[in-house]
Amino acid sequence: DTGVSQDPRHKITKRGQNVTFRCDPISEHNRLYWYRQTLGQGPEFLTYFQNEAQLEKSRLLSDRFSAERPKGSFSTLEIQRTEQGDSAMYLCASSPRGSPQETQYFGPGTRLLVL
Amino acid sequence: ELKVEQNPLFLSMQEGKNYTIYCNYSTTSDRLYWYRQDPGKSLESLFVLLSNGAVKQEGRLMASLDTKARLSTLHITAAVHDLSATYFCAGFLQGAQKLVFGQGTRLTINP
Repeated sequence: DTGVSQDPRHKITKRGQNVTFRCDPISEHNRLYWYRQTLGQGPEFLTYFQNEAQLEKSRLLSDRFSAERPKGSFSTLEIQRTEQGDSAMYLCASSPRGSPQETQYFGPGTRLLVL
Repeated sequence: ELKVEQNPLFLSMQEGKNYTIYCNYSTTSDRLYWYRQDPGKSLESLFVLLSNGAVKQEGRLMASLDTKARLSTLHITAAVHDLSATYFCAGFLQGAQKLVFGQGTRLTINP
């Protein structure tokens, strides 16, 4: 399978705990994105990496959120001190640089439930 | 700031009928995407429209773009049950490299 993969697929945690999600993009895609989707809504942009550089961050990404892509391959998204409002589907996408269409290909998502 | 609005938000139709989903956006968008999402699943890319007047077709789905009107449409021809899903349009901000999604149109096709 050469698509975007995410781990875990589901996560249940208690309020106040820290969680970390992983995303493996399509091989050789140098652009990686994180989005958040709540029930009944469209995805909202969180952050964007080109290789290992984090080039764009949404104001939705509060101080409790941090994303990394240390070697320009996989990425992690950490949420510290989770709150019930963090419950959502967290989607990762990747795209190849230089493609005229720059289509973003999405992974299956990590569904987070904060109790 | 780019804003994207879709209508209708919910659409129930019978197999064999035709219908159109509308996507309006507020400011210049470098391109326009359509995605499909099945319940509990991720997003599947359907179309990317790059320029004014662009038209793309795949099976019973056809997407078009009018940049002057800031409007894209997704037309469904002779709907079949398998097309039941939520459809999202998304504008693209080149500088920020981000997609801005509409609220989605939940399409239900009844036999």
